[in-house]
Amino acid sequence: DTGVSQDPRHKITKRGQNVTFRCDPISEHNRLYWYRQTLGQGPEFLTYFQNEAQLEKSRLLSDRFSAERPKGSFSTLEIQRTEQGDSAMYLCASNTDRGNQPQHFGDGTRLSIL
Amino acid sequence: AQSVTQLGSHVSVSEGALVLLRCNYSSSVPPYLFWYVQYPNQGLQLLLKYTTGATLVKGINGFEAEFKKSETSFHLTKPSAHMSDAAEYFCAVTRLSSGSARQLTFGSGTQLTVLP
Repeated sequence: DTGVSQDPRHKITKRGQNVTFRCDPISEHNRLYWYRQTLGQGPEFLTYFQNEAQLEKSRLLSDRFSAERPKGSFSTLEIQRTEQGDSAMYLCASNTDRGNQPQHFGDGTRLSIL
Repeated sequence: AQSVTQLGSHVSVSEGALVLLRCNYSSSVPPYLFWYVQYPNQGLQLLLKYTTGATLVKGINGFEAEFKKSETSFHLTKPSAHMSDAAEYFCAVTRLSSGSARQLTFGSGTQLTVLP
């Protein structure tokens, strides 16, 4: 169990640029989640995959956001035309659909928009 | 719909004193409840979880929590605080759906400070 891995850990970009984050879940986990955490708040759910299928999306996931999990393993989260309000920590989590398994979180990608 | 309220955004205790972090939830169906801890610039680490069965749940690092359905609460306690417990703590709830937990709804967190 190598844990959930996220890359990069930090991203600084100018407003209007596109950014992409990657998440590698724990290898046997078929469920993958993305959350956003702003300063002083708890994480907020963005979207969820079971294998390669994106099964739930939050209303927070505007049309500038897109997430993929093409082969049911790693996932990417892309933000197009970034805005100041996109500055946050983006967290990825994974678990299995067997039993009452908790979600295991990565260390997140901190996005700063200049 | 489900929600979580954590009373007290900041809690300070002396080293060796009791830690009590409060969490109340709202859920229209039987909930699964979790406590996570977050250290600066890191992700969330699971402390403990309640799904079904025994309402007093023991977790890592000496923490425990009790599910009280009548009070819709899931408060986190530790008998004796240690300096290393200083961190942010999040209570979270999810609803049972098709046999496995899905999206988590988090409280806004409680920052625990441990004073020497």
